[in-house]
Amino acid sequence: AQSVTQLGSHVSVSEGALVLLRCNYSSSVPPYLFWYVQYPNQGLQLLLKYTSAATLVKGINGFEAEFKKSETSFHLTKPSAHMSDAAEYFCAVRAATRGGADGLTFGKGTHLIIQP
Amino acid sequence: DAGVIQSPRHEVTEMGQEVTLRCKPISGHDYLFWYRQTMMRGLELLIYFNNNVPIDDSGMPEDRFSAKMPNASFSTLKIQPSEPRDSAVYFCASSPGTAGNTIYFGEGSWLTVV
Repeated sequence: AQSVTQLGSHVSVSEGALVLLRCNYSSSVPPYLFWYVQYPNQGLQLLLKYTSAATLVKGINGFEAEFKKSETSFHLTKPSAHMSDAAEYFCAVRAATRGGADGLTFGKGTHLIIQP
Repeated sequence: DAGVIQSPRHEVTEMGQEVTLRCKPISGHDYLFWYRQTMMRGLELLIYFNNNVPIDDSGMPEDRFSAKMPNASFSTLKIQPSEPRDSAVYFCASSPGTAGNTIYFGEGSWLTVV
């Protein structure tokens, strides 16, 4: 079974400051990890994913995340926040199964607020 | 590519009525998922299909909910009878075959049961 914990339901940063959104996972098999972003009244859009290649993963809009197996973490960062980054961010885990794959298990989400 | 297409985008219905949500996955994707999003419970996986066959429906809340996938390009999620606590955003999503592949989400169906 898989689970995801996102620390902090709300994170507030100043425009231009570092963004750090925390995600820890639990998985009984090697995980595939994802970060999605959701803007108000919209669906979910993939930011980046870890699929057992490079541990540092770069995504869209300047975001990146590092997979750390020893810490069971996959934290999302961006060096300099922009007002347009204000949104809900979801970390998710997916596992391979004997027959293929299961669905995504999501964390509760982190609402990112950007202060001008 | 048109992406995952859901209809209706918004629906307001009265308690006790039947609700049918529709989804067209991305062509060539062999996995289809139905998720529900609420403030209280977040994003929950309701059911998913592989090659039109339901694989795991353990997330379906109760017998009032049912889902079908009669062919590779169409799926429905039905609630009968609907209740106010079913008010939520329902997302359909699809992906190609392996766990490392991206799951693509539709824009969602916003359901309000009054």
